[in-house]
Amino acid sequence: EPEVTQTPSHQVTQMGQEVILRCVPISNHLYFYWYRQILGQKVEFLVSFYNNEISEKSEIFDDQFSVERPDGSNFTLKIRSTKLEDSAMYFCASSRTGSNQPQHFGDGTRLSIL
Amino acid sequence: AQSVTQLDSQVPVFEEAPVELRCNYSSSVSVYLFWYVQYPNQGLQLLLKYLSGSTLVKGINGFEAEFNKSQTSFHLRKPSVHISDTAEYFCAVIAANAGGTSYGKLTFGQGTILTVHP
Repeated sequence: EPEVTQTPSHQVTQMGQEVILRCVPISNHLYFYWYRQILGQKVEFLVSFYNNEISEKSEIFDDQFSVERPDGSNFTLKIRSTKLEDSAMYFCASSRTGSNQPQHFGDGTRLSIL
Repeated sequence: AQSVTQLDSQVPVFEEAPVELRCNYSSSVSVYLFWYVQYPNQGLQLLLKYLSGSTLVKGINGFEAEFNKSQTSFHLRKPSVHISDTAEYFCAVIAANAGGTSYGKLTFGQGTILTVHP
């Protein structure tokens, strides 16, 4: 069965540094998402992406965050200047269509900010 | 906006016993409902979904859930659990009436850790 793949599985970065988290969604999916889960807290929606533009974003997704689909297969999340509170597990997801279609999740990238 | 409450943060149970994981939601519009499972060091895997139709839905690994609109609940059940069911379970909703304003934003509950003891 096709899977969403995320790299790296664990990223350690100094505070203030830029970090890029990478995802390869399922190939025939059209909608892409990033979520994060701070340790001990809920999984939170960050952003959805469709047709090469952001379709929805949460209040968490401020100017420090950006997403990009640089080619036909990758979907990236960039944090420009990381803060300690950005430490979390970041999940990428994709779905065939939006709204009621199940989202398929990757295994996540654990981001640790020192 | 939607919100999801999972009433139990941890549920310990013995192998072969039945289990129910509770989920309540709040929304001003109709919603689609999902249960996801997360095994250690893995991503979220879809267990089952309710979109419309029969309120009793069956998923993978012998799990089922019942949508109760009047009680705004979507409780997950399994009649007989196995050690391998030990995992964290998440209830989630998406606004059904997208109307161009939602592209599938999932709102999650806090998660319930199911621990199955031998």
